[in-house]
Order: sequence, then structure tokens, then C-alpha cells
Amino acid sequence: DAGVIQSPRHEVTEMGQEVTLRCKPISGHNSLFWYRQTMMRGLELLIYFNNNVPIDDSGMPEDRFSAKMPNASFSTLKIQPSEPRDSAVYFCASSLEVAQYFGPGTRLTVT
Amino acid sequence: RKEVEQDPGPFNVPEGATVAFNCTYSNSASQSFFWYRQDCRKEPKLLMSVYSSGNEDGRFTAQLNRASQYISLLIRDSKLSDSATYLCVVEVSGNTPLVFGKGTRLSVIA
Repeated sequence: DAGVIQSPRHEVTEMGQEVTLRCKPISGHNSLFWYRQTMMRGLELLIYFNNNVPIDDSGMPEDRFSAKMPNASFSTLKIQPSEPRDSAVYFCASSLEVAQYFGPGTRLTVT
Repeated sequence: RKEVEQDPGPFNVPEGATVAFNCTYSNSASQSFFWYRQDCRKEPKLLMSVYSSGNEDGRFTAQLNRASQYISLLIRDSKLSDSATYLCVVEVSGNTPLVFGKGTRLSVIA
């Protein structure tokens, strides 16, 4: 069975550029979560969707971050403009009931 | 007080040893509890749920103490492949997302 799919797996970009991260949740799951992980702060929830509707985006650090879920099988997280402090691993996770299942993550480096 | 607290470790143990991790949570209304495992440069993966009565999966035993608001994970007969970071995870209510601890690092040494 396919798990959560994320692309790209690695992204290196220059500060000021737009970055788009993509996620395909597990088929049939109705909740989707975007996380950011760094050594200093651990795993931070950025935003989550339930049935494609954003429920809580209080974890989104700034207006430079935005997320969409146009349908049940696709979501994007966009950073515009990117800054070096955005460098982290970004995980997408999906769930049907309580337990969440994570994708492999996108390692973002902003220079 | 942080919502979920764990000793970051590292715990360095020899192969075959038994090791236990504890985790405390602050919200007494928390309903569901999990242990996740995260290998270096990989995503967190669900290891096991934690039930009130305690539960076992092979060499792994998870226990919940609601009165003291802590969860434990016991690993018996440690293997080299158990080396990872173990994340304690709590759900406060059915309508809120999971809260992850920062993890406890385990290193099993030959």
C-alpha cells in the first residue's frame, strides 16, 4: 500500500525564492497535517486540514507560509519569499482516526 | 510546563539490556497516547498505541498511569536496530491534533 507521498525529497533554494512542497495523503484518510522539524524546536505542527478544510493554522510562522488542499488527495505548502531560517525538514502526515502516518519529508535548505 | 515532556537522553545501552523511557503530559483530559519511533533522517513511524491496561508487542511494553500523568515504554533484550529516537505522543481530545514530545534518543551498543 502506498503511504504518504511527498515531493520533492530535497530542495535547495536561494533566499527570496518561492518554494512549493507537495503531499499526497493515504487514500481514504480525512485529515492532513503539515509539520516542520528542526533540531532546536523538534516537531512543530504548522497547519492541519479535516475533509480538505483548514482547521487550525495557528502554527504557521508568518504570512510567508500558506497551505492549500484543493482535493482529498493533494495538498501544498508554499513559502514565499523563503528565508534561511526556514531551513528544516517538512513532513506531511495523514490520518483517518487518531494515529497519524508520516511521509518521508522534504529537506529544505535556503541559502 | 510543556504539554509533553521527555528526557532527551541519549540513553546508551549494551545489546541485550532492558531500557525504559518515561514521558509526562500536562493535560489530564488527554485521551489517546502513542509511542512513535524516528530513525536518523527519516520520518516518525507509529510504534504502538498505549492503552490504560498496558500493552505489549514483542519486546516492547507500553504503560499508562493516568493518576500521575505519565506513559512509559520498556524495551527488553535491546537490539542494535532499536537505536532511534522515541517520541511520546498525546491526543488531548478527539478534535485536536496529536502533541509530540521532543523525543528520547536511544543508542544500543554492540
